[in-house]
Amino acid sequence: TQLLEQSPQFLSIQEGENLTVYCNSSSVFSSLQWYRQEPGEGPVLLVTVVTGGEVKKLKRLTFQFGDARKDSSLHITAAQPGDTGLYLCAGPKNYGGSQGNLIFGKGTKLSVKP
Amino acid sequence: EPEVTQTPSHQVTQMGQEVILRCVPISNHLYFYWYRQILGQKVEFLVSFYNNEISEKSEIFDDQFSVERPDGSNFTLKIRSTKLEDSAMYFCASSPYPGHLVSSPLHFGNGTRLTVT
Repeated sequence: TQLLEQSPQFLSIQEGENLTVYCNSSSVFSSLQWYRQEPGEGPVLLVTVVTGGEVKKLKRLTFQFGDARKDSSLHITAAQPGDTGLYLCAGPKNYGGSQGNLIFGKGTKLSVKP
Repeated sequence: EPEVTQTPSHQVTQMGQEVILRCVPISNHLYFYWYRQILGQKVEFLVSFYNNEISEKSEIFDDQFSVERPDGSNFTLKIRSTKLEDSAMYFCASSPYPGHLVSSPLHFGNGTRLTVT
């Protein structure tokens, strides 16, 4: 069974701090996606990582895909209150063989206090 | 930016009743999906739909569930006889091409919160 484990489950930090959240699996994924979900809204895609070892940057957010494509991390530099939200990782079931059947992690709930 | 819209935002129903959750996918998208998220739990895949047929369904999507594209714009999820454990947030999503392609990410709506009493 493919599972994505995210850690930490909760993270509360002050504005300006850096943080890293993790998404781990014992299974290989063809790609991993990171979403942000705000209360009462659907997940919004931030990035997709595809190649082992790949690093992608989105302003203050840096995403990395593990070399073995079993894990990913999201690093936020100088966090701001606007970064507050639930960060979800997701990957295609069955190594990309399923049409839109994504497996999600449980998420990291981030709170950035001013 | 085009978005997926879902109605209603909140639906309360009694156990045993039928509910229909409605979605308007992004207009040029061809692949449609339903996911659900029980409070405090993971987002879970229910079904994918393409060319008026179910492409894939999960073990959650049993005989009480059905999907339909009744016209060129709507995509619906029907739950025939609701149970207490069906209470969840139901998300519709769409993509222009098959959703496992990197070039074809899923666009999610804001969900319908279904409460079964």
